[in-house]
Amino acid sequence: DVKVTQSSRYLVKRTGEKVFLECVQDMDHENMFWYRQDPGLGLRLIYFSYDVKMKEKGDIPEGYSVSREKKERFSLILESASTNQTSMYLCASTSQGNTGELFFGEGSRLTVL
Amino acid sequence: AQSVTQLDSQVPVFEEAPVELRCNYSSSVSVYLFWYVQYPNQGLQLLLKYLSGSTLVKGINGFEAEFNKSQTSFHLRKPSVHISDTAEYFCAVSVGGGADGLTFGKGTHLIIQP
Repeated sequence: DVKVTQSSRYLVKRTGEKVFLECVQDMDHENMFWYRQDPGLGLRLIYFSYDVKMKEKGDIPEGYSVSREKKERFSLILESASTNQTSMYLCASTSQGNTGELFFGEGSRLTVL
Repeated sequence: AQSVTQLDSQVPVFEEAPVELRCNYSSSVSVYLFWYVQYPNQGLQLLLKYLSGSTLVKGINGFEAEFNKSQTSFHLRKPSVHISDTAEYFCAVSVGGGADGLTFGKGTHLIIQP
């Protein structure tokens, strides 16, 4: 069964802490994505990656960075967490040349106090 | 750039009644269209997708959607809903194979009343 796995389902962090959200996929997909989900705003794209060590900014990259050292792993980094980054974070992947259909992880709910 | 509008943020429906969730999109080029469902505290799961061909698309759990190019719509329907259909539903569009990801609507919360 194909899968996108997010390492943490629930996290609570303090303002100013560095936060790592990890995502691993076992489908050999080239493209990986990080979205942020907030009530009434839907899903907004933070960053995506076409390939190892490649990254592209999405619609709301401010305050975030990403790392893709291996094809199957895509990490989202909050260098200094702030309360307005409290949200649900969703990782997704797809193969190149696909229709765009995304395969999602279960989500990571981050609370910043 | 493309965009997606889900016209209702919340739709209450009685159990066993039919439901329609509305979705309109804007794009200057051909698109692929998707509906995803999100159950509480879970990720998104694909319900159905339109790529080409027949404009009526059938998906999982008895859902179907109709692509209407002239009205740029992709409304989701189910003839008889169950309590288990309570969830958030997202319409999404991709352009050119979706290498840049999908563009999502803001979601519609389907509330099933007994």
